Amino acid sequence: NAGVTQTPKFQVLKTGQSMTLQCAQDMNHNSMYWYRQDPGMGLRLIYYSASEGTTDKGEVPNGYNVSRLNKREFSLRLESAAPSQTSVYFCASSERGLGYTFGSGTRLTVV
Amino acid sequence: GDSVTQMEGPVTLSEEAFLTINCTYTATGYPSLFWYVQYPGEGLQLLLKATKADDKGSNKGFEATYRKETTSFHLEKGSVQVSDSAVYFCALSSSNTGNQFYFGTGTSLTVIP
Repeated sequence: NAGVTQTPKFQVLKTGQSMTLQCAQDMNHNSMYWYRQDPGMGLRLIYYSASEGTTDKGEVPNGYNVSRLNKREFSLRLESAAPSQTSVYFCASSERGLGYTFGSGTRLTVV
Repeated sequence: GDSVTQMEGPVTLSEEAFLTINCTYTATGYPSLFWYVQYPGEGLQLLLKATKADDKGSNKGFEATYRKETTSFHLEKGSVQVSDSAVYFCALSSSNTGNQFYFGTGTSLTVIP
């Protein structure tokens, strides 16, 4: 099925550990995004990539890095996880004017 | 900057009741407006959209009309079902935002039998 695939679905990290969240889309969309969702705060943009080879900071980029590996893949890396990064992370892709397609999310807990 | 404000929840309704979830926006240009729905444990799914003033988006019995004069895009459904229980997000996208989306904080809806 066409769409956005995120891995892993669940992850528990200890404070200070690193990990990479993977995202891939098969719709040939140019733009890709990483959001975090926290109770009462809606979705907040972490980083986005308007096209292959470009990345830009969103609203809450601190503590994260991203890589747009190719047109399909956009990964999010936590170099040194902190409890404040406990959240649900969503990847999305879009083509101009057509709306976002979201992945099913990664539930990350940092202890 | 561009932004979206939607009514806070949670909202609890009985089955077959009428639903309205309010959404207003602030934008300097001419945004496209969207409603997304998030079912428990899932990602967000596009419910409906409208790209210009007076457009009406509709899907699965839900409707929303793009009102430029009141800068609103309220979501309505005439008769809700238990299966409509979810979190609903209003969002906008415009050239002013680099075609990024800005989301409201979400409104949780629970429909009881």
